[in-house]
Amino acid sequence: DVKVTQSSRYLVKRTGEKVFLECVQDMDHENMFWYRQDPGLGLRLIYFSYDVKMKEKGDIPEGYSVSREKKERFSLILESASTNQTSMYLCASLPNRAGSYGYTFGSGTRLTVV
Amino acid sequence: AQSVTQLGSHVSVSEGALVLLRCNYSSSVPPYLFWYVQYPNQGLQLLLKYTTGATLVKGINGFEAEFKKSETSFHLTKPSAHMSDAAEYFCAVSGYNNNDMRFGAGTRLTVKP
Repeated sequence: DVKVTQSSRYLVKRTGEKVFLECVQDMDHENMFWYRQDPGLGLRLIYFSYDVKMKEKGDIPEGYSVSREKKERFSLILESASTNQTSMYLCASLPNRAGSYGYTFGSGTRLTVV
Repeated sequence: AQSVTQLGSHVSVSEGALVLLRCNYSSSVPPYLFWYVQYPNQGLQLLLKYTTGATLVKGINGFEAEFKKSETSFHLTKPSAHMSDAAEYFCAVSGYNNNDMRFGAGTRLTVKP
């Protein structure tokens, strides 16, 4: 089975800090995604990537950036963390460009910014 | 563009009762439809999906869903709820492209003994 691993389950950071959230998948998937999950809002797409060094903005990219230097790793960066970025962050991967497969998700990182 | 509406943010049923979680979608192209389940402090797990073919799809843990194009619905059902079904359920829709999957706001299912 595909495994998507997020390096931290829980993080607490201070306002203004630069925060890195790491995601690694082990099945050579081309496509990777970062979502944030908030109560009553479901999942909202932050950024996604189809290939190494390639990135596309999702619906809510403001305040975030991403890095994909290797195929298996997709990092989400909060340049200057703010309290409104307190959320659950979910990484996902997909084997090809066809949407019919469905995403495989990591376990999530719950980030608290104080 | 695609969108999903899940009716009811919270659903409570008794153990052994029918589970019905409602999902309506909007899509400008033939949709792919998904249900995901999320247990506490975990990521989302694919429960079932509709792509093409048979409109009644069966998933894991005894769940099934029926794609009704005329009603733009993809409701999730299970004949008899179990305590272990307590979780949050998300309906999602996508077209052919990967970047257009959209999720509903989620429905939290509570199962009472």
